[in-house]
Amino acid sequence: DAGVTQSPTHLIKTRGQQVTLRCSPKSGHDTVSWYQQALGQGPQFIFQYYEEEERQRGNFPDRFSGHQFPNYSSELNVNALLLGDSALYLCASSPDWLSGTEAFFGQGTRLTVV
Amino acid sequence: SQKIEQNSEALNIQEGKTATLTCNYTNYSPAYLQWYRQDPGRGPVFLLLIRENEKEKRKERLKVTFDTTLKQSLFHITASQPADSATYLCALPMGYGNNRLAFGKGNQVVVIP
Repeated sequence: DAGVTQSPTHLIKTRGQQVTLRCSPKSGHDTVSWYQQALGQGPQFIFQYYEEEERQRGNFPDRFSGHQFPNYSSELNVNALLLGDSALYLCASSPDWLSGTEAFFGQGTRLTVV
Repeated sequence: SQKIEQNSEALNIQEGKTATLTCNYTNYSPAYLQWYRQDPGRGPVFLLLIRENEKEKRKERLKVTFDTTLKQSLFHITASQPADSATYLCALPMGYGNNRLAFGKGNQVVVIP
């Protein structure tokens, strides 16, 4: 089992550009959550997808959007990039979006906005 | 919203000793609390989950306690080893009955050989 995989691992973008990050969940998991982790901070919840719908959303602007595909993989899109969007973006999968279960994280995508 | 506090100062500890980390939270009492380990540049790795009706949970050299009255969890690493050096994150669900997690800033542990 490959666990949660994210691509790319590193990315450099220019302010104002758009970016798409990808995530494949752990086998058997149908719920995908995205987190943003700034340097020295804990991960901040962006949103969560289940059955191809956004089920929960954190305090992030509409520039952050996502998608989940029938095979449960997911994308995170960020438009009009700001310098402050530079962070480690983490994808986490879990087998149940409602009850308390452990989250399996990918290695993250390091996004640098210049 | 839930506020989670972890000690911002790194914990330097001698190999073989017990490291103890604290996680304090405000507002509502969560149905469960989780601890994760994170190495530099990597994603968090799940360690332990403790539910509101459990006082203590153990896994190998790790022990977690959960005091809903004090709104506090303690995380212990016994017989610490240099390989235990990492940042440890406390996480709570943001609402009852869902696994949308709120994380503390993390507490760095450095085990000195």
